[in-house]
Amino acid sequence: DAGVTQSPTHLIKTRGQQVTLRCSPKSGHDTVSWYQQALGQGPQFIFQYYEEEERQRGNFPDRFSGHQFPNYSSELNVNALLLGDSALYLCASRSTGKSYEQYFGPGTRLTVT
Amino acid sequence: AQSVAQPEDQVNVAEGNPLTVKCTYSVSGNPYLFWYVQYPNRGLQFLLKYITGDNLVKGSYGFEAEFNKSQTSFHLKKPSALVSDSALYFCAVRDQIDRGSTLGRLYFGRGTQLTVWP
Repeated sequence: DAGVTQSPTHLIKTRGQQVTLRCSPKSGHDTVSWYQQALGQGPQFIFQYYEEEERQRGNFPDRFSGHQFPNYSSELNVNALLLGDSALYLCASRSTGKSYEQYFGPGTRLTVT
Repeated sequence: AQSVAQPEDQVNVAEGNPLTVKCTYSVSGNPYLFWYVQYPNRGLQFLLKYITGDNLVKGSYGFEAEFNKSQTSFHLKKPSALVSDSALYFCAVRDQIDRGSTLGRLYFGRGTQLTVWP
């Protein structure tokens, strides 16, 4: 049973570019959340998707957008990249209504130069 | 608003000794509390959770946590530390979008680096 998977593992982008990160939830999970973890910090909630809709959003600008597909996988898009967007981006999934804990993927390390 | 504080950036303990990693929380309503562990260049691994019930919660790898409502604390403990326990530990609290909903976001502390020396 595969856990949460994310791609790519690492990514280097230039300031002003756009990036798309991908996440496949754990089998049986239908809710996907995205978190940003800056160096030396705890993860910060970006947004959460359920039934292909954004259900909750953290304090992130509109440059951060997402999508959930019918197979529950998800994408995180970041436009007009800033140096401060450099971070580990974590995807977490859970099964709505069955458990409270979220299961995290290994993350995508984004470096903006 | 929900929040979590981990007052210690670093905890050092000798192998075989008991360990405690501290966490205090602030929530409106009933707290849903979690501990996660992160190894270098890895995602977060779920250790244990408190939703309701017994104040002492047992989790993975011999870890347990004690929920104390009066002190709004949820400290992580292990009776005998192992070198392999060395990692970054995060406490988190979950909110709910609305009453009865199981959707919700996690609020994390800044993390505590645990080092267990041989």
